[in-house]
Amino acid sequence: EIVLTQSPATLSLSPGERATLSCRASQSLNRFLAWYQQKPGQAPRLLIYDASNRATGIPARFSGSGSGTDFTLTISSLEPEDFAVYYCQQRTNWPPTFGGGTRVEIK
Amino acid sequence: QVQLVESGGSVVQPGRSLRLSCEASGFTFSEDAMHWVRQAPGKGLEWVAVIWSDGSNTYYTDSVKGRFTISRDNSKNTLYLQMNSLRAEDTALYYCARDGGFGVVTYRGPFDYWGQGTLVTVSS
Repeated sequence: EIVLTQSPATLSLSPGERATLSCRASQSLNRFLAWYQQKPGQAPRLLIYDASNRATGIPARFSGSGSGTDFTLTISSLEPEDFAVYYCQQRTNWPPTFGGGTRVEIK
Repeated sequence: QVQLVESGGSVVQPGRSLRLSCEASGFTFSEDAMHWVRQAPGKGLEWVAVIWSDGSNTYYTDSVKGRFTISRDNSKNTLYLQMNSLRAEDTALYYCARDGGFGVVTYRGPFDYWGQGTLVTVSS
């Protein structure tokens, strides 16, 4: 199974700052990587699919990049509603797997 | 709008069975693969199972193979998860999620719509 390692585990930032989240895969994913946001008490929400494609309705401040084994989710300027947990997920091989998550918290 | 509503979660003893349901609306259910994804309390996300749009294929994570069965009734727009021989480690919030089918279809996500989840607690 493909293991996804997210870093850092926690990111402490202030509103307006730039957030950079990393996801590293144990083998090449091509570009089949997605990012999700989950707020407390809510279901995950798809943000980015296939490394860099924003899902429907996702603001432009969210962007994804990378290929192979190293991927990045960038939030260009944090809004108050962006403080949440973010997960990456690969769809290259069975079974689909998720990273352990990065918590973005208010500094 | 797309809606997925799970039900059937409860507290159950180890070794017992439970069936979860997910009622879909707002899209053509019979055209999309569907998944179950779970989240143990305070933990991350774990994919559980997928079923093709016509029910012709299913896949499971190793830890539930032989115990869980995913199925669907396209005439009722409903997805199911039959869970047998439940264990304490199956305790989780169970989400149903739609396969987005973007680009190259792999039936492994991404998951573009999610329900709010139904809680399964396995405890004596």
